[in-house]
Amino acid sequence: AQTVTQSQPEMSVQEAETVTLSCTYDTSESDYYLFWYKQPPSRQMILVIRQEAYKQQNATENRFSVNFQKAAKSFSLKISDSQLGDAAMYFCAYRSPSNTNAGKSTFGDGTTLTVKP
Amino acid sequence: EPEVTQTPSHQVTQMGQEVILRCVPISNHLYFYWYRQILGQKVEFLVSFYNNEISEKSEIFDDQFSVERPDGSNFTLKIRSTKLEDSAMYFCASRVDRGYYEQYFGPGTRLTVT
Repeated sequence: AQTVTQSQPEMSVQEAETVTLSCTYDTSESDYYLFWYKQPPSRQMILVIRQEAYKQQNATENRFSVNFQKAAKSFSLKISDSQLGDAAMYFCAYRSPSNTNAGKSTFGDGTTLTVKP
Repeated sequence: EPEVTQTPSHQVTQMGQEVILRCVPISNHLYFYWYRQILGQKVEFLVSFYNNEISEKSEIFDDQFSVERPDGSNFTLKIRSTKLEDSAMYFCASRVDRGYYEQYFGPGTRLTVT
């Protein structure tokens, strides 16, 4: 079974600065998807960024980028130029696209990000 | 952009009562999921549904839970006799097909059992 570990329960960053959230995972599969979701106080799950394991290039979405290290099974999220609206809980998630798997997502425990003005 | 919808947004029920949480997945999607998030905890997989049957379920998904796709659009989660520990946010998700496809989450239903 796959596991996802987020070792930072809480992180804080000054507005306009950069912060990196850590995520490691364990799997025996070679093909999979990795995601970062943002969960604001409304508790809706908002997809921030995704990475396909077969792609060597790190995904980027505007101020959000990942550092995907497949051999190390590490998938960190970097938020540049942090904004007050970035404050939320962030979840790292793993999903297998295997045809023999139902494609469920496995989530980490989450990291609460605080942005200081 | 198409989206997954869930109703109600908040449900309050008494212990022992039956509740039905409703989801409308994106219309051309074939895989459907329910997840649960107890306040302050991680999101946990409950069940996946494909081709009108459960394809996988977690240990949490015991006999008190059932899922159904009663028509071509709705996907429901029923809890037969709610317990206090069922209080959580329940998320529905859907995916168009197997393989490398996005899983779209609904906004969630907050269930409070008193």
